[in-house]
Amino acid sequence: KQEVTQIPAALSVPEGENLVLNCSFTDSAIYNLQWFRQDPGKGLTSLLLIQSSQREQTSGRLNASLDKSSGRSTLYIAASQPGDSATYLCAGSTGANNLFFGTGTRLTVIP
Amino acid sequence: EAGVAQSPRYKIIEKRQSVAFWCNPISGHATLYWYQQILGQGPKLLIQFQNNGVVDDSQLPKDRFSAERLKGVDSTLKIQPAKLEDSAVYLCASSPNPRAGETQYFGPGTRLLVL
Repeated sequence: KQEVTQIPAALSVPEGENLVLNCSFTDSAIYNLQWFRQDPGKGLTSLLLIQSSQREQTSGRLNASLDKSSGRSTLYIAASQPGDSATYLCAGSTGANNLFFGTGTRLTVIP
Repeated sequence: EAGVAQSPRYKIIEKRQSVAFWCNPISGHATLYWYQQILGQGPKLLIQFQNNGVVDDSQLPKDRFSAERLKGVDSTLKIQPAKLEDSAVYLCASSPNPRAGETQYFGPGTRLLVL
């Protein structure tokens, strides 16, 4: 069974700072790795999806990497903004596209 | 494009009562998922449908939870009878097909409180 762990559980940074969120998973047979954003009282929004054959994906100020051999993924956020404040969840998927989520990192960007 | 719709948004019931949640996926999406998200945890898959058939319900507590997607479009998730530990947000998601790598699109969720 795939288990996904996220560190830290919570993070506060001043506006403009670069930051890294960490995700680790137990099963290297993971098919792909996704990062989601969750705002209070709302559903999840997919940010980046890294296929098993890829090592990273970039979208704007976000960059996610995947190292299957070590069971790790990172989400890098450049020049953080108050609007980036949210909970960030990583999820690994099986071949049937079932997602196994981590517990999330709650990010607060202080103006 | 309309997103995944869920109702109700909030529900408060007493233990041992019954409750039902409704989900309407994005038009044309064959795959529908129900997740349970307990406070402070990540979502956990309860059941996955492909059209009107069940693909995976291995983590669904079948003694009290049931779900259906009769016409392969919208879906209902029912809890009967509810327990205190069922308090959670119930998220519905859909994707065009179950192939790995397809992004899942999530609805806003139904927040359930069992007293």
